[in-house]
Amino acid sequence: TQLLEQSPQFLSIQEGENLTVYCNSSSVFSSLQWYRQEPGEGPVLLVTVVTGGEVKKLKRLTFQFGDARKDSSLHITAAQPGDTGLYLCAGAANTGNQFYFGTGTSLTVIP
Amino acid sequence: DTGVSQDPRHKITKRGQNVTFRCDPISEHNRLYWYRQTLGQGPEFLTYFQNEAQLEKSRLLSDRFSAERPKGSFSTLEIQRTEQGDSAMYLCASSRTSGRRDTQYFGPGTRLTVL
Repeated sequence: TQLLEQSPQFLSIQEGENLTVYCNSSSVFSSLQWYRQEPGEGPVLLVTVVTGGEVKKLKRLTFQFGDARKDSSLHITAAQPGDTGLYLCAGAANTGNQFYFGTGTSLTVIP
Repeated sequence: DTGVSQDPRHKITKRGQNVTFRCDPISEHNRLYWYRQTLGQGPEFLTYFQNEAQLEKSRLLSDRFSAERPKGSFSTLEIQRTEQGDSAMYLCASSRTSGRRDTQYFGPGTRLTVL
């Protein structure tokens, strides 16, 4: 059962363009994390958001947690080839014992 | 802080053989998770330990799979009588209980190929 749906599944853009990735669920999460994963490696944590409506910025990346803590978005400004990778969202259940991963968004930034 | 380490990084085995993977978490982390990830998909939860206690197991974890964390430090995941469908990346993550900001840190994974 995939509790978190990400869209789009694949995204190919030119260097310098902006993009937004969405992570949606009908479930409420106590926190939500975003990861970036490169082929053959484990996911690397980008950010954790906890409070409904929370916005966090990490250089050119902006993360937002929905008011109801059911969804999140990741916005990248002026994408660079180094941003290429698989972006994963993961929600922590309210019990805090399990993390549910999204389906992933594969981003390719073309120089 | 050396991060989460996993060994081996790659394993090729023949169908029917047993394999064992090891995960060394970040030293002060008391939670340890195992996930399985197939190509192009997000990781799927397999099991979770708090210290040495295995608290949750996914129904994905069939009888052929067993995980241990004997002293609350490193963990092993064993797959018996491997099948081709077991081919995947096996990821380990650890975290330190810190309420809602409990954050997992992943190892590099063990890629299993069953021939």
